[in-house]
Formats: sequence, C-alpha cells, structure tokens
Amino acid sequence: AQSVTQLGSHVSVSEGALVLLRCNYSSSVPPYLFWYVQYPNQGLQLLLKYTSAATLVKGINGFEAEFKKSETSFHLTKPSAHMSDAAEYFCAVSGASNSGYALNFGKGTSLLVTP
Amino acid sequence: DTAVSQTPKYLVTQMGNDKSIKCEQNLGHDTMYWYKQDSKKFLKIMFSYNNKELIINETVPNRFSPKSPDKAHLNLHINSLELGDSAVYFCASSHGASGGPSSYEQYFGPGTRLTVT
Repeated sequence: AQSVTQLGSHVSVSEGALVLLRCNYSSSVPPYLFWYVQYPNQGLQLLLKYTSAATLVKGINGFEAEFKKSETSFHLTKPSAHMSDAAEYFCAVSGASNSGYALNFGKGTSLLVTP
Repeated sequence: DTAVSQTPKYLVTQMGNDKSIKCEQNLGHDTMYWYKQDSKKFLKIMFSYNNKELIINETVPNRFSPKSPDKAHLNLHINSLELGDSAVYFCASSHGASGGPSSYEQYFGPGTRLTVT
C-alpha cells in the first residue's frame, strides 16, 4: 500500500531561516506525490506536486521539493521562512489503483515561524 | 469564484440526529471525495465517487452515505450521529478518470466542522 511518513510533527524556525519539512514515501509503483498546506480553519491548498517529470519541483509561495527515489523521499524546502508560512503541512501520495484516485496523507507537520 | 464549496461550515448537533453536508464543485471534475480530519489533524479518505461509481472505504460505518445527484455535487448524509463523528469533513474533487497525474491532484473545500454533543 502507498503511504507517507512525515518526520517531525512540529518544526520551529526563525523568520528568514531555511524551512525543511521531511516526507518519506512507501509505494509499490511509481508514486505521484503532493504537498498541501492548511492554514488555521481553512481547507487544504496544493503547494506542489511530483508527477514523474522533473525531480525538482517548484511550487507556490517559494516552496520546492525534490523527489529522491534512492532515498524514497520528497522533502519540502523554502530558503527563507516568512511569518505567513506558519501552518500545517501535509505530504500525500497517490493511493492504490483501486482507491478511486484517493490520496493517502501523512500525519502533518505544524510549522511555527518565530520573529 | 469558489472552486469547491461546502455547506454548512459549522454544524452542531446532538447524538442520535441525522445530518447532511453538501458539496459543490465548479471545476468540471468528474471525481469527488470526502475526507475526515480528526482532532489530531489526520486526514483519511472516506469515499471516492467517480462517474457514478462509488468507492467505499471499508472502515467507514454504514451510517455514512454519500449521494451524488450529478458530477458537480456530492453530499454526505450521516445517520444516528455519535460523539466520535465529531471532526472536520472535507470535500475535494479531481479529474479522476481522465487519467494521468491530474487524476490525483485534488482541490479541497473549506471544510465542515461537525460537533456532536
């Protein structure tokens, strides 16, 4: 079964510092991978996606992620954190072929940005 | 223009009641979903509805029943509500059967926070 593991339920960075949110996947087939962001009391917004084209994927708000098959990882990074980046971040992987195209989500990482 | 909308945003009700949550998407997608987000913010798929084919998650109690009058709407009806049903329910949509990576790229509604007392 396809699944993702997000390392670190809480990550705290200073404003201007590098953001690194970790995601490792497990999949029996080449996966499609996604990062979503959830701001308080809001729905999920797609940040970026990996769909087997380029391994370095650029998304919105200055975020990017690199697909590394050898490490089964898809970590999310941003060079310089802004206060507005504080939110919950979810890594997700495409589900099994009989899942009706559902996504399997990680448990989320809460990003705190301090002044 | 709201891509995926849900009503109501908040729903407070008592145990044993029956309630419905409505979802509409104007993206032209042919697949819609319901996810449940628990108090620890874990998101889990409940249902996927693709071109009138319902994919049921076996862990979902049969008190939950999705209904899709057309491709743009997917409602969730819940019978005999229990305390454990308290959660945030998200509707989402994607291209689904059109194939390829976009099948899985999902757009989410704002969520419905259900509180059962």
